[in-house]
Amino acid sequence: ETGVTQTPRHLVMGMTNKKSLKCEQHLGHNAMYWYKQSAKKPLELMFVYNFKEQTENNSVPSRFSPECPNSSHLFLHLHTLQPEDSALYLCASSQRSQETQYFGPGTRLLVL
Amino acid sequence: AQSVTQPDIHITVSEGASLELRCNYSYGATPYLFWYVQSPGQGLQLLLKYFSGDTLVQGIKGFEAEFKRSQSSFNLRKPSVHWSDAAEYFCAVGARAGNNRKLIWGLGTSLGVNP
Repeated sequence: ETGVTQTPRHLVMGMTNKKSLKCEQHLGHNAMYWYKQSAKKPLELMFVYNFKEQTENNSVPSRFSPECPNSSHLFLHLHTLQPEDSALYLCASSQRSQETQYFGPGTRLLVL
Repeated sequence: AQSVTQPDIHITVSEGASLELRCNYSYGATPYLFWYVQSPGQGLQLLLKYFSGDTLVQGIKGFEAEFKRSQSSFNLRKPSVHWSDAAEYFCAVGARAGNNRKLIWGLGTSLGVNP
């Protein structure tokens, strides 16, 4: 595997479910990011991790819970989501915080 | 306020024609500038970036972009478009936020290519 991978690629969940999104980067980077991409809106930065430490949380609702066990892996734990949370969730990584970012293919999430 | 504007929501060109996608930014200092491309169902792929130096930068897939400070622009160009270039194109500015840089994104331009 090369670059940034994300699983699953597609996810359908009910509002009472709990699920997790996984991201893995094979680039030796130290910073990882979660973004939300919705139609007709700019890309929204959700969380930033540097060397496994969370350095940014852009007022994201607590129903989204990130976890970064090491510099190569990033998770987004989801619970009691709302239909408006349906979107494409993108993971990215960079050598240092906010330098050139490399993206994964995304997880298309549908909340029913 | 810091912002990125991509004035064209959708552009359609014929295969083989030249292409220019516009990007204007609002930022007080010299920005880092990026163009990314997103094909349907895919993540964002970096096309090119400008940090400093030569204001005309070359990227992958035959794309180039020119930084014009006086116009606060970073337009993306390609001399001859291929059908596979049909995708969504995003311009982004890396603006200082404390000790870090924050990426500010445009809304994107959707490119259609006629055969």
